[in-house]
Amino acid sequence: GEDVEQSLFLSVREGDSSVINCTYTDSSSTYLYWYKQEPGAGLQLLTYIFSNMDMKQDQRLTVLLNKKDKHLSLRIADTQTGDSAIYFCAVDYEKLTFGTGTRLTIIP
Amino acid sequence: ETGVTQSPTHLIKTRGQQVTLRCSSQSGHNTVSWYQQALGQGPQFIFQYYREEENGRGNFPPRFSGLQFPNYSSELNVNALELDDSALYLCASSLETGGVKDTQYFGPGTRLTVL
Repeated sequence: GEDVEQSLFLSVREGDSSVINCTYTDSSSTYLYWYKQEPGAGLQLLTYIFSNMDMKQDQRLTVLLNKKDKHLSLRIADTQTGDSAIYFCAVDYEKLTFGTGTRLTIIP
Repeated sequence: ETGVTQSPTHLIKTRGQQVTLRCSSQSGHNTVSWYQQALGQGPQFIFQYYREEENGRGNFPPRFSGLQFPNYSSELNVNALELDDSALYLCASSLETGGVKDTQYFGPGTRLTVL
């Protein structure tokens, strides 16, 4: 089945850019997503990219997709304290498969 | 447009009991998916309902069952609860049209604790 991998932790200084990485195994995925989860809350859809795209930009968020390497990344520009959360990569083939999540910590 | 809602917010049960969790879809959505998120893990797909029928299932035993109603709301039922069933249960709704599935939007979840 599909396997999605993420690093568990990332610490970034306030105002810097954060880059969260994700690798996946199934190249048949049509959509790839980034979700944000704050403590005790559900999942908030941040952005997504269709598999025939290389890049998508949405305000402070930039998604890069390298299909050859099966690598997806999320860049958050000008990281703020409100960006502290767990970020999940998810790939959609017949069902959504999530990574284990990356906990982003902002250093003041 | 109302978002996805779930009830209850929190629930405490004991081993062997049964539980029912509820989900109301976002307005206009016809598909509901349920996920289990154990502490420190990503969500795991349980099953999906489309037009009141199960439309895909993850690696969960038959004691996990569900229903979807004509108004597209849904229930997740878990029988014979085990300690490992303690988790956050997330419901997501989406619109499927002509076999094409749109983005899933998640509710806030129900936190189930099994003692």
